[in-house]
Parts: sequence; C-alpha cells; structure tokens
Amino acid sequence: AQSVTQLDSHVSVSEGTPVLLRCNYSSSYSPSLFWYVQHPNKGLQLLLKYTSAATLVKGINGFEAEFKKSETSFHLTKPSAHMSDAAEYFCVVSDPRGGATNKLIFGTGTLLAVQP
Amino acid sequence: DTGVSQNPRHKITKRGQNVTFRCDPISEHNRLYWYRQTLGQGPEFLTYFQNEAQLEKSRLLSDRFSAERPKGSFSTLEIQRTEQGDSAMYLCASSLDQRTFSNYGYTFGSGTRLTVV
Repeated sequence: AQSVTQLDSHVSVSEGTPVLLRCNYSSSYSPSLFWYVQHPNKGLQLLLKYTSAATLVKGINGFEAEFKKSETSFHLTKPSAHMSDAAEYFCVVSDPRGGATNKLIFGTGTLLAVQP
Repeated sequence: DTGVSQNPRHKITKRGQNVTFRCDPISEHNRLYWYRQTLGQGPEFLTYFQNEAQLEKSRLLSDRFSAERPKGSFSTLEIQRTEQGDSAMYLCASSLDQRTFSNYGYTFGSGTRLTVV
C-alpha cells in the first residue's frame, strides 16, 4: 500500500529565511510524488510533481523538491520564505501504473506560518 | 471554462436531511474524482469516474452516498440522511486519462463545505 508521512504538522519561519517541509513516502512501485498547497478558502494548487524524470524538481513560486529513493523522502524547500507562502502544504503519492485509477493519497498536511 | 467549478460553496443542513453537490469539470477532461477533507486532515479519495462510468469507490463511501456523472460531463454527489460525521469539505477534481503520465494534471475545484447541525 502507498502512503506518505509528513513529519511536521506545523512549521514556523521568519520572512526571508529558508523553508523545509519534510515528507517520507512508502510505495511498492516507483511512485509519482507531488506537493500541493492550500490557501484558506481556496482550492488545492499543484506546486510540483515528480514522475521518474529528474530527481530535483522545480515548481512554482521558487519551491523545489528532491526525490531521494535511498531515504524514501521528497522534502520541499524554498531558499527564502515570503509572507504569501503561509498556507497548508500536502505531500501526495500516486500509483503510476498505466490504466490505474491514479487516485492521490495525501499526507496529513504541514501548516506553514511565516513571521514578519 | 477556466477550471473546475463546484456548487454550492457552503451548505448547512440539519441531521437527517439529504444534500446534493454538483461538480463541473474542465470540459475536455474525461476523468472526475471526488475527495473528502475533514478538519486537520488531508483529502481522502471517495470515488472516480472515467467518462460516465464509476470505476472505483472507496470504503469511505457508505450506502448513504451516491455519485453520478450522466453523459460524462458534470457530476453530482448526494448524501442521504446526513450525519454530523459527514461535516467536511467535499472536493472535486478532473484530469485527462494519464496512460503515459507525461503530463500528470489534476485540477481541483474550491470545494463544497458541508456542515451538519
């Protein structure tokens, strides 16, 4: 069975400092991995995705994540936090086999607070 | 058509009443998904349609829940005899058939927030 574990439920950083949101995954197959962001009262937005190409994935708004198979990790980073980054972030895994449902399995989320 | 549209945005209902939500996906997307998100949790898969066919249902989807996608376009999710535990955000998403996974693209709607009192 596939699953993701987000290691921190809350992360607080100061504006301009680096962001690290941690995620570990479990999958019987070579997984597809994603990070989504959810701002209050808004829909889920895809930040970036890993689908077995380059292990360092760049996303929108300066975020990037590195797929590390040996550590079964897919941590999300950003060099410098902005106030607008405050939101909830979800690490997500999906079964990449062709013809499958492609349903997404979400982690429990990390709430990122950015202090001025 | 700029995205996935869900209506209503909010629904407050009394326990025991029936409710129905609607999702209008991106027009060229043949796959449609329903997810449920409870407070403090990530979204959980409920069900999935490929065109008009409902191909998978989660065990979370009790007999009180039913979903349809007539003609493979919009979808409705109905909850009968609502319970307080049904209070959640119900999210709809659509995508193209991703057999090659070359462009894995889900688009989520903003959701319908259900409160059962």
